[in-house]
Amino acid sequence: QVQLVQSGAEVKKPGASVKVSCKASGYTFTSNDINWVRQATGQGLEWMGWMNPNSGNTGYAQKFQGRVTMTGNTSISTAYMDLSSLTSEDTAVYYCARGATSGYTAFYYYMDVWGKGTTVTVSS
Amino acid sequence: DIQMTQSPSSLSACVGDRVIITCRASQSISSYLNWYQQKAGKAPKLLIYASSTLQSGVPSRFSGSGSGTDFTLTITSLQPEDCATYYCQQSYSTPYTFGQGTKLEIK
Repeated sequence: QVQLVQSGAEVKKPGASVKVSCKASGYTFTSNDINWVRQATGQGLEWMGWMNPNSGNTGYAQKFQGRVTMTGNTSISTAYMDLSSLTSEDTAVYYCARGATSGYTAFYYYMDVWGKGTTVTVSS
Repeated sequence: DIQMTQSPSSLSACVGDRVIITCRASQSISSYLNWYQQKAGKAPKLLIYASSTLQSGVPSRFSGSGSGTDFTLTITSLQPEDCATYYCQQSYSTPYTFGQGTKLEIK
């Protein structure tokens, strides 16, 4: 079955970087974007950006520009999200989600498969 | 950025009730509107995309409608397992913003 398996929880100190992985299986990794969405405890969902594994193209939310890098390794069907200069406000659960499209005259975009999430805690 | 506003922020309803959650976009987004369900401690799950298309495997008691700036998610005959937080999300333009969520509790 189609699934995204994420790496384990991380604890980082302020100023450090974290790299979260997301391994895809059950479909052709290069056929779909991978999006990253985060959620602070008790808060809503925040979209961070997308990465296309086929082209390597990326798009980031302005809020994270300069601090986030999304990459992929097609040989092992794995996407990565690297976030630097961490502060306590980056403490959250980070999800990867597969992007999908539907439609003929318009291409509707949505996230149809999600990983279980990776908890990142930033604390001194 | 396009702002998404959901209402209500929370609601409580009985099993068998009909529930309506609304989502308003700060500008027209055509039908580029998705709905997700998130149960406590779990990842979000896609319910509806393109405003009204039910994702495969989602029960038919869920339905979506709307276009432009105003959208609704309707749950007919509420079930205990529908206890969750529901989010709308626009995919008209990046950043793909979410609403703040509607927490649904079962009385």
